[in-house]
Amino acid sequence: EVQLVQSGAEVKKPGESLKISCKGSEYTFSNYWIGWVRQMPGKGLEWMGMIYPGDSDTTYSPSFQGQVTISADKAISTAYLQWSSLKASDTAMYYCARQTECSGSSCYFGYWGLGTLVTVSS
Amino acid sequence: DIQMTQSPSTLSASVGDRVTITCRASQSISRWLAWYQQKPGKAPKLLIYKASTLESGVPSRFSGSGSGTEFTLTISSLQPDDFATYYCQHYMTYSYTFGQGTKLELK
Repeated sequence: EVQLVQSGAEVKKPGESLKISCKGSEYTFSNYWIGWVRQMPGKGLEWMGMIYPGDSDTTYSPSFQGQVTISADKAISTAYLQWSSLKASDTAMYYCARQTECSGSSCYFGYWGLGTLVTVSS
Repeated sequence: DIQMTQSPSTLSASVGDRVTITCRASQSISRWLAWYQQKPGKAPKLLIYKASTLESGVPSRFSGSGSGTEFTLTISSLQPDDFATYYCQHYMTYSYTFGQGTKLELK
């Protein structure tokens, strides 16, 4: 059974850096896109971007381009989402998700992690 | 960026009701649309992909339709477990966007 295990909750101060992770198991990690989704407190889902671990091809939603970095280490089946300088507005739940199937550049995501809660507060 | 607009934002209904949620895209997305259900404190769950294909294990009371710019999610007979928030998402050309969500609440 496909599993995505996300790293634990984080509490950080504004200006600090952070890298959260998403480890895939029970499938060939390199062969499936991993996406990241933000959900701010009490708000809806926002697509941030995704990565293909096999060749590290990465796409970002325009709203998140330059704000975060998505990466992956296929040797340890882990994808990452990182910030170089956190803001209070980065406080949110962050989910990773794995594609189920793609048709060209159109992929839908049927496997989700449980989420990582990031709190940024002074 | 393609914008996705759901309506209504909130829907009050009773067990056994038939309900429909609408999702409109700002430009044609063919049938590259998924529907998700999310309950409080939980990850989203995929219900439907490619506008009308039911994900494995999802009850048949859920159905999706549409193409181009207008799509619907219908629940034929609401069950207590269905009260949740529903999101549409387009997945065309690597830049995916969610609708703002529809909260389905008990009347």
